[in-house]
Amino acid sequence: GENVEQHPSTLSVQEGDSAVIKCTYSDSASNYFPWYKQELGKGPQLIIDIRSNVGEKKDQRIAVTLNKTAKHFSLHITETQPEDSAVYFCAENQAGTALIFGKGTTLSVSS
Amino acid sequence: SAVISQKPSRDICQRGTSLTIQCQVDSQVTMMFWYRQQPGQSLTLIATANQGSEATYESGFVIDKFPISRPNLTFSTLTVSNMSPEDSSIYLCSVLGADTQYFGPGTRLTVL
Repeated sequence: GENVEQHPSTLSVQEGDSAVIKCTYSDSASNYFPWYKQELGKGPQLIIDIRSNVGEKKDQRIAVTLNKTAKHFSLHITETQPEDSAVYFCAENQAGTALIFGKGTTLSVSS
Repeated sequence: SAVISQKPSRDICQRGTSLTIQCQVDSQVTMMFWYRQQPGQSLTLIATANQGSEATYESGFVIDKFPISRPNLTFSTLTVSNMSPEDSSIYLCSVLGADTQYFGPGTRLTVL
């Protein structure tokens, strides 16, 4: 069945450093790969996504890369700030189906 | 984007009782989903709420325990029936928009 593995489960960085979170998936038919940020007491919020016809996408300090051959995609956050501290989830699906989520990464940015 | 509201935002319930969670979307959407997020865990899909027909449940979830209604394209309810402490979780409504999947703020349920 579908499976998304996410690493690391926790990540601690100093303010200004970069953070990288990686996910691998098993379903070769998957074609949509979003990343969500969840702050305490809130629902997940989409921060960036990528589709299978693109290898990299960037939005200010956040970027996502996709390697369809190896079936993995990564979230990159540069110049981290304390407000980046949250739980980050990767997810994947095929068009018209519900997202399947990784187990999450708790990112802590210390000032 | 879609704006999703859920009621209640949180509740504390006694075991053996049932709670119905409401989800309202500000626009008509084809697909609505219900997820469960147990404490410190990831999101697990419970079911797809189908308008005008029975919900489609994922493995491990059954209609008797989690009955779902979807009377129209902007509203759905999830009932957690005959609750036990193991049902203590955050329950999230989600919709499939034109470009991605959006989530409500969640309902935090504690069962004593």
